[in-house]
Amino acid sequence: GIQVEQSPPDLILQEGANSTLRCNFSDSVNNLQWFHQNPWGQLINLFYIPSGTKQNGRLSATTVATERYSLLYISSSQTTDSGVYFCAVEGNTGFQKLVFGTGTRLLVSP
Amino acid sequence: ETGVTQTPRHLVMGMTNKKSLKCEQHLGHNAMYWYKQSAKKPLELMFVYNFKEQTENNSVPSRFSPECPNSSHLFLHLHTLQPEDSALYLCASSQSQGGNEQYFGPGTRLTVT
Repeated sequence: GIQVEQSPPDLILQEGANSTLRCNFSDSVNNLQWFHQNPWGQLINLFYIPSGTKQNGRLSATTVATERYSLLYISSSQTTDSGVYFCAVEGNTGFQKLVFGTGTRLLVSP
Repeated sequence: ETGVTQTPRHLVMGMTNKKSLKCEQHLGHNAMYWYKQSAKKPLELMFVYNFKEQTENNSVPSRFSPECPNSSHLFLHLHTLQPEDSALYLCASSQSQGGNEQYFGPGTRLTVT
């Protein structure tokens, strides 16, 4: 099945800093989502982005499907950005299911 | 608020108990999913229902029994669980299975004693 790798596994930032999280995947996809999991376990949808670029406030994401990677950009980070960021992909061949990466744990300190 | 609710939010049960987890979605979706998130492991898909039909059972032990009476409700019936089944159980929904954005509920944190 499709493989998903996220990097870095852990990231510590000062408030106000910018960061880039990466997601590599092993096959062509028809779904790619970025999520933020808060300390209570809730998965919050950030982007549905199987290809192209999207922006939402301080967050933006780019997926280059032909090169099998996606990037999540966080600008001017805030302490509320802390948590785990997951990339999840669904391949467009075989069984249709969302496969999650192992996540990037982000800590933003004041 | 994602439009997907789960109850209870926390559950402690003994290995001989029977309990059920409930999920409800208010998004008009036709596919619903159960996922398991254990400590130090990625989210794992357990079951998928598409238009009320089960389309995936990801080799889940029979002590977990799903039920989908309609497109808006999904249950996970639990019986004779093991301590290693302690985890966060997440429900999700999407317009239909395949290529559509999934929305997650807040999860039920289950502890088996």
